[in-house]
Amino acid sequence: DGGITQSPKYLFRKEGQNVTLSCEQNLNHDAMYWYRQDPGQGLRLIYYSQIVNDFQKGDIAEGYSVSREKKESFPLTVTSAQKNPTAFYLCASSIVLGASGANVLTFGAGSRLTVL
Amino acid sequence: AQSVTQLDSQVPVFEEAPVELRCNYSSSVSVYLFWYVQYPNQGLQLLLKYLSGSTLVKGINGFEAEFNKSQTSFHLRKPSVHISDTAEYFCAVIREMEYGNKLVFGAGTILRVKS
Repeated sequence: DGGITQSPKYLFRKEGQNVTLSCEQNLNHDAMYWYRQDPGQGLRLIYYSQIVNDFQKGDIAEGYSVSREKKESFPLTVTSAQKNPTAFYLCASSIVLGASGANVLTFGAGSRLTVL
Repeated sequence: AQSVTQLDSQVPVFEEAPVELRCNYSSSVSVYLFWYVQYPNQGLQLLLKYLSGSTLVKGINGFEAEFNKSQTSFHLRKPSVHISDTAEYFCAVIREMEYGNKLVFGAGTILRVKS
């Protein structure tokens, strides 16, 4: 079955450590996204990528980094520069339907990061 | 810029009662609207979407929503809820950006169905 796989599901980190969250999709989607979810704040966009080897900052990119070396993979690194990294992280992908098209996102199951 | 306001952070309701989850949007251009549902510790699942055409949109699990341009609303409704509908619901609107579109989400509404 096609879908998005995020790993790990739960991750604990000590302050000052970088961690990388994995996101893999086999939907042949061009676009991929990382969102951060905090209680009562909805989802906020961290980074997104419309095509391999290209990505753009979202609304809260500071303290995060990404890469898009393969179409199916879009890993997110939470660096030590991120001041409040404890959150639920969601990866998504979509077909890009043109400049004014409506993108229906497919989401992974999420990764919960806790900083100790 | 496009944005979304979900007017209720939590909605408690008894099983088999009707429910409405409210969503208002602001947009100066074409409007594409979505409702997603999230069960605990899971990703989001698309409930329904409005792209164009009929203003009454039917989705999965018996949910429907009505696009009201004059009131800039896209409220989600279900005539009779089940315990299994307990989840968080997110309204979202497309924002057109220089490098492709993205979804802008509301803060979410937690639906609690009680027996």
